[in-house]
Amino acid sequence: EAGVAQSPRYKIIEKRQSVAFWCNPISGHATLYWYQQILGQGPKLLIQFQNNGVVDDSQLPKDRFSAERLKGVDSTLKIQPAKLEDSAVYLCASKDSGANVLTFGAGSRLTVL
Amino acid sequence: AQSVSQHNHHVILSEAASLELGCNYSYGGTVNLFWYVQYPGQHLQLLLKYFSGDPLVKGIKGFEAEFIKSKFSFNLRKPSVQWSDTAEYFCAVVGSGNTGKLIFGQGTTLQVKP
Repeated sequence: EAGVAQSPRYKIIEKRQSVAFWCNPISGHATLYWYQQILGQGPKLLIQFQNNGVVDDSQLPKDRFSAERLKGVDSTLKIQPAKLEDSAVYLCASKDSGANVLTFGAGSRLTVL
Repeated sequence: AQSVSQHNHHVILSEAASLELGCNYSYGGTVNLFWYVQYPGQHLQLLLKYFSGDPLVKGIKGFEAEFIKSKFSFNLRKPSVQWSDTAEYFCAVVGSGNTGKLIFGQGTTLQVKP
């Protein structure tokens, strides 16, 4: 089966600019996650979707970050405006409703200058 | 608050040495436990998992982990490491219900010298 697809793989922007990341989960996976992984740290959950509804966005900085999964399949994560501390890898993961194992994409590496 | 703590941030071993990476968690309730691995330039991959039953679980590439409920620990072991085991290792925990969020430790970088 195809894995979790993410794009772009790399993005360099200046602070105060905006950026968007895209994720296409494994076909049929109802649950989708966005994680932020800062260099030297473990991934931190930003937002969790169940189909097209938000389950948990308690750690999403909502003044600058937004995410949507309108049709319950692919998802976009947007940052506007970006800050230097947003430099990180943004990981998308998905899982089947009947399982408790996440499958991760390759990630999108963001550098904010 | 739910949390995962990995004891070692950076481990350097010679090939054939034995490995043990510590992981402790704080979580109220029944948990599922995982070790993920991230090889250089690759994405996070599942190494092994514990859901229930035998607390000693075996994963890919000769890795195993032991769940000790009384110590809230899930340590990763391998009897003899190889250069190809050089990677970053993450311990993670989630509540046993299917809607919980997966919480990661800060990771341990393993460097194996040939």
